[in-house]
Amino acid sequence: QSALTQPASVSGSPGQSITISCTGTYSDVGYYNYVSWYQHHPGKAPKLMIYDVTYRPSGVSNRFSGSKSGNTASLTISGLQAEDEADYYCTSYTSSSSYVFGSGTKVTVL
Amino acid sequence: QVQLVESGGGVVQPGRSLRLSCAASGFTFTNYGMHWVRQAPGKGLEWVAVIWYDGSRKYYADSVKGRVTISRDDSKNTVFLQMNSLGVEDTAVYYCAREVAYYFDKWGQGTLVTVSS
Repeated sequence: QSALTQPASVSGSPGQSITISCTGTYSDVGYYNYVSWYQHHPGKAPKLMIYDVTYRPSGVSNRFSGSKSGNTASLTISGLQAEDEADYYCTSYTSSSSYVFGSGTKVTVL
Repeated sequence: QVQLVESGGGVVQPGRSLRLSCAASGFTFTNYGMHWVRQAPGKGLEWVAVIWYDGSRKYYADSVKGRVTISRDDSKNTVFLQMNSLGVEDTAVYYCAREVAYYFDKWGQGTLVTVSS
């Protein structure tokens, strides 16, 4: 159960778009459309941003979008805002009936 | 509104045991699978365990298998995590989370477990 691979950090200026990748294997990201993304501010509860690869929960800004190609899922944040600065994690259901998180990406708004 | 409140964390010596609780409110508890997720200091989120909505299935991360047991008491709307033979590597904030079809839509604020002599 190795963690899914995410870049350690991504940064962008306000208004720009950034994309965070999440690479797994055929046993998790590549096989199931059960990839979700979470925003985490230290000391707070993680917040669901995207589920089932592309779906956005009610109340989450449409600046957040998800996609997947092969074993890699991606989260795109468009129109970057200061409030988007946080840690982001992907997660996937796996063929072992377990779950695996990504290594996490720190998003910095310049 | 949906609330998940973890408790039971604290400082414990290596090799000892600890039981965490997560009290749920604001929803029909028996309709949902429940998970534990942890975050060690300076590290990322790590999935720990899940118990199905009816308690019929339980799955664990390899890192805790054999040392940890997840359970639920539907009469108290509470999910538990019994942790045995604790090691320093188990030091983390432990979160409980509600599952909706393979994703976690609600999370608690977490409880800190520190394993130290």
